[in-house]
Amino acid sequence: QVQLVESGGGLVKPGGSLRLSCAASGFTFSDDYMSWIRQAPGKGLEWVSYISSRGVTTYYADSVKGRFTISRDNAKNSLYLQMSSLRAEDTAMYYCARGFEFWDFWGQGTLVTVSS
Amino acid sequence: EIVLTQSPGTLSLSPGERATLSCRASQSVSSNYLAWYQQKPGQAPRLLIYAASSRATGIPDRFSGSGSGTDFTLTISRLEPEDFAVYYCQQYGTSRTFGHGAKVEIK
Repeated sequence: QVQLVESGGGLVKPGGSLRLSCAASGFTFSDDYMSWIRQAPGKGLEWVSYISSRGVTTYYADSVKGRFTISRDNAKNSLYLQMSSLRAEDTAMYYCARGFEFWDFWGQGTLVTVSS
Repeated sequence: EIVLTQSPGTLSLSPGERATLSCRASQSVSSNYLAWYQQKPGQAPRLLIYAASSRATGIPDRFSGSGSGTDFTLTISRLEPEDFAVYYCQQYGTSRTFGHGAKVEIK
């Protein structure tokens, strides 16, 4: 069965950096686009970024453009999100999900808290 | 950016009743590229509907989606106890945006 397991979240100071990872299993990872979506505590969902199956094409929400970088390692069945210049408003649960238009499988999320 | 407005914000119903959730877009959603998700507390969202009316794999047929252009609807024909949750619409015609969510609660 499809499994997506995020890791790497935690508490970070404003201006700091963090790298999230997502380990995928149960499907042919290298065939699928992948995305990151976040949800601030008690709030709605916000698409963050997606990457093409081979990692050639990436897109970002305006709110993170220039600060976040999505990448993948198909040999390791892993997706990453490098986050820098973090702000308080980046505090959220970050979900890894399969797809780039809509998302049919989601991980359980990893919590990122940006606070001094 | 396409803004999605969901209504009502909260729907109070009893099991067995019909739920109708609305999602209105600030501009036309190209090719009816609209999806619906269900989210329960402490869980990740679950895809219910894509392309406005196509049910995702494993989704019961009591869930149905309809609409086009700027007006879309998610209908749950007869509410089961497990259907009480928050529902989000999402468009993927122009970038990707979500509605703010609509809660279906037990009356």
